[in-house]
Amino acid sequence: SAVISQKPSRDICQRGTSLTIQCQVDSQVTMMFWYRQQPGQSLTLIATANQGSEATYESGFVIDKFPISRPNLTFSTLTVSNMSPEDSSIYLCSVVEQGAFFGQGTRLTVV
Amino acid sequence: DAKTTQPTSMDCAEGRAANLPCNHSTISGNEYVYWYRQIHSQGPQYIIHGLKNNETNEMASLIITEDRKSSTLILPHATLRDTAVYYCIVSKVKFGYALNFGKGTSLLVTP
Repeated sequence: SAVISQKPSRDICQRGTSLTIQCQVDSQVTMMFWYRQQPGQSLTLIATANQGSEATYESGFVIDKFPISRPNLTFSTLTVSNMSPEDSSIYLCSVVEQGAFFGQGTRLTVV
Repeated sequence: DAKTTQPTSMDCAEGRAANLPCNHSTISGNEYVYWYRQIHSQGPQYIIHGLKNNETNEMASLIITEDRKSSTLILPHATLRDTAVYYCIVSKVKFGYALNFGKGTSLLVTP
């Protein structure tokens, strides 16, 4: 099974600032996924990140707000830009490698 | 992917079997049934998946009805550590790619 390290595990940020979340996988994977989990809610897919191409965003999510990088097959970043309190959520990265595996998430609080 | 319906919450006494139902009446012939769980403040964890036949692993058993319109996840001897939100997900792709999480069932295992 894939092991995913996600950093930071939590952060408290000022509104208007940006936070970059890192996701490192212990094996090479083709596709990586970013999810958001708002308080008390289920997981919602933000985007799919393939190495060497632009990320594909789901309805309601845009690149300017959630830019994603995928420089190689083991690493990806998600940036939450120009944050507002509504962005307070848990952000999770995921890979599929004979099963779907998730990082432990980044708990973001925007004040 | 087909939609799933699960009860919002369930209780189970420690040591007893927990039977979590899932309805997926619009499932198509090539769609798999997956079960994941999310323990508080952690990333989702894969439990089991199946296509037509019943499946069992070290964590749980999955019973799929003959018409495939519903399934039941069975935790044979629930422990307090099984308290979590359990998600039933249907996906065309083996092992899934981006998973469509519904609201899941919140299982509370009591002493």
